[in-house]
Amino acid sequence: GIQVEQSPPDLILQEGANSTLRCNFSDSVNNLQWFHQNPWGQLINLFYIPSGTKQNGRLSATTVATERYSLLYISSSQTTDSGVYFCAVNTGGFKTIFGAGTRLFVKA
Amino acid sequence: NAGVMQNPRHLVRRRGQEARLRCSPMKGHSHVYWYRQLPEEGLKFMVYLQKENIIDESGMPKERFSAEFPKEGPSILRIQQVVRGDSAAYFCASSPDDRYQPQHFGDGTRLSIL
Repeated sequence: GIQVEQSPPDLILQEGANSTLRCNFSDSVNNLQWFHQNPWGQLINLFYIPSGTKQNGRLSATTVATERYSLLYISSSQTTDSGVYFCAVNTGGFKTIFGAGTRLFVKA
Repeated sequence: NAGVMQNPRHLVRRRGQEARLRCSPMKGHSHVYWYRQLPEEGLKFMVYLQKENIIDESGMPKERFSAEFPKEGPSILRIQQVVRGDSAAYFCASSPDDRYQPQHFGDGTRLSIL
């Protein structure tokens, strides 16, 4: 089945710094989502982005479907950005496959 | 807020008991998905249901686990004779008719087995 790899696995940032999280996938996908799991365990939809670029405030995402990767950009990071960021893909079947996540800690 | 509602948020069971987890999808969504998240891991697909039908249960353990989505009422994930290894967060998601639409997740049920 499809493999979803996220990098880096862990990231520590000083408040105000920018970062780029990467998601590589091994096969064509029908959709791709980015999620933020906050320290309380809640999953927050960030982007639904099977291709192209989207922006929402300090966050933006780009998916290059032909090259099988997606990037999540976080600018001017805040302590509330801490948590785990997941990339999840669907290849046309019923399963959504999650990556292992990037654990982000933003220091004040 | 008409989001995906899961209850209970936390559930504690002793080994051998039964656990029932409930999920009410977003209004207008007829597709429900269950995922399990073990500590320090990503979410793993378990089962996909539409009203009164199980569409794909390839991620469900073969024994003790079952799921339903009746015509009326929430979707239920049932775990019989729980064991310590069942301790995890169980998330439910829903989507509109088209399965390629983004999935919207509930806040999860954290199951702890004593």
